[in-house]
Amino acid sequence: NAGVTQTPKFQVLKTGQSMTLQCAQDMNHEYMSWYRQDPGMGLRLIHYSVGAGITDQGEVPNGYNVSRSTTEDFPLRLLSAAPSQTSVYFCASRAEIKAEQYFGPGTRLTVT
Amino acid sequence: GENVEQHPSTLSVQEGDSAVIKCTYSDSASNYFPWYKQELGKRPQLIIDIRSNVGEKKDQRIAVTLNKTAKHFSLHITETQPEDSAVYFCAAVYNFNAGGTSYGKLTFGQGTILTVHP
Repeated sequence: NAGVTQTPKFQVLKTGQSMTLQCAQDMNHEYMSWYRQDPGMGLRLIHYSVGAGITDQGEVPNGYNVSRSTTEDFPLRLLSAAPSQTSVYFCASRAEIKAEQYFGPGTRLTVT
Repeated sequence: GENVEQHPSTLSVQEGDSAVIKCTYSDSASNYFPWYKQELGKRPQLIIDIRSNVGEKKDQRIAVTLNKTAKHFSLHITETQPEDSAVYFCAAVYNFNAGGTSYGKLTFGQGTILTVHP
């Protein structure tokens, strides 16, 4: 199994540009989440999904959209990039409520 | 919603000493408490977890204790080694129901930077 994969690994955007961070998992996990981690900071939940077609907001959802059309994929869309969105983004998945959460390798995003 | 407070934010110990990191949670419905370790430049990885029906769990040099009454749980690392240096995150899952289905939301603490000096 590849586990949780994310693309791209690095991205530089200009303010106002939009883009999609890709996330996929091959473990048939129902739960998927997106986090951002700022330098020296913890993991803040952006959006999460409990199954295909079901998504909800986390603690910092503004400026981001998600959709979950399949069990495997959970893309994160930045609508209009801002310097405040410069961060490392982690996608994660887990099989059920009380199960180990697996993280992807992260995407380092810089917005200039 | 759930809130998880983690202390200390930084912890420095000598090799061989013990390290203790503490977390408190706000929602008494929380029932699953994992701990993750994140090495520099890498992704977080699970090191140990505990469920609400257990008071303590050990795995070699690491242990986690849970006090449901006080709503806090702790990570204990004994005989620390330089390779234990990393950021450690506690987390709590609380269940909620929506549309007749039960879900679990995972919330992380702010992290503790542990440095083990040789």
